[in-house]
Amino acid sequence: GIQVEQSPPDLILQEGANSTLRCNFSDSVNNLQWFHQNPWGQLINLFYIPSGTKQNGRLSATTVATERYSLLYISSSQTTDSGVYFCAGRVDNTDKLIFGTGTRLQVFP
Amino acid sequence: EAQVTQNPRYLITVTGKKLTVTCSQNMNHEYMSWYRQDPGLGLRQIYYSMNVEVTDKGDVPEGYKVSRKEKRNFPLILESPSPNQTSLYFCASSPLGPWRGSDTGELFFGEGSRLTVL
Repeated sequence: GIQVEQSPPDLILQEGANSTLRCNFSDSVNNLQWFHQNPWGQLINLFYIPSGTKQNGRLSATTVATERYSLLYISSSQTTDSGVYFCAGRVDNTDKLIFGTGTRLQVFP
Repeated sequence: EAQVTQNPRYLITVTGKKLTVTCSQNMNHEYMSWYRQDPGLGLRQIYYSMNVEVTDKGDVPEGYKVSRKEKRNFPLILESPSPNQTSLYFCASSPLGPWRGSDTGELFFGEGSRLTVL
């Protein structure tokens, strides 16, 4: 079926640590994006990354479309990185977006 | 300031009482969409619109209606709300949809509307 799966579901880090979040998506899903929802509920677009690698400060993302996965790297994590990270993709031949269930990240000082 | 504005932010209502959640964007975006967020389920798309008078169902459209009479507005209508529609709702907009628009494909979200149906 059409799926977007994220792992791990929960992640607890100490400030300064690095982490990798994974998003697997099924054959009918493409045009991956990553979002961050902060503890106040606000949703922010991090990357639109259908393929290849992009970097923005301490965050970077890589999508290997042929192998149906995307990775979000967070380096030198800070408490402000806490929240839930979602990946989402477009269902082929539609303009419909499907989201994963998220990875909840907690960064402690 | 570029933004997506939703109203109301919080609402408690009773079963069967029609309500409308408004969404407005000031970025001249073609693409607008509604999502609901429930614990453990992530965000699920309710409806989306590629342009004025063009709307389409997402994954969970049952019990909802939308309209797109103007480019900037995309209201979500619950004709007869039920308790299973208690949720956090987000509206979002993007130029032409993330996969057709700008290089960033950025989807702009509103601040969310928390709806409780008793």
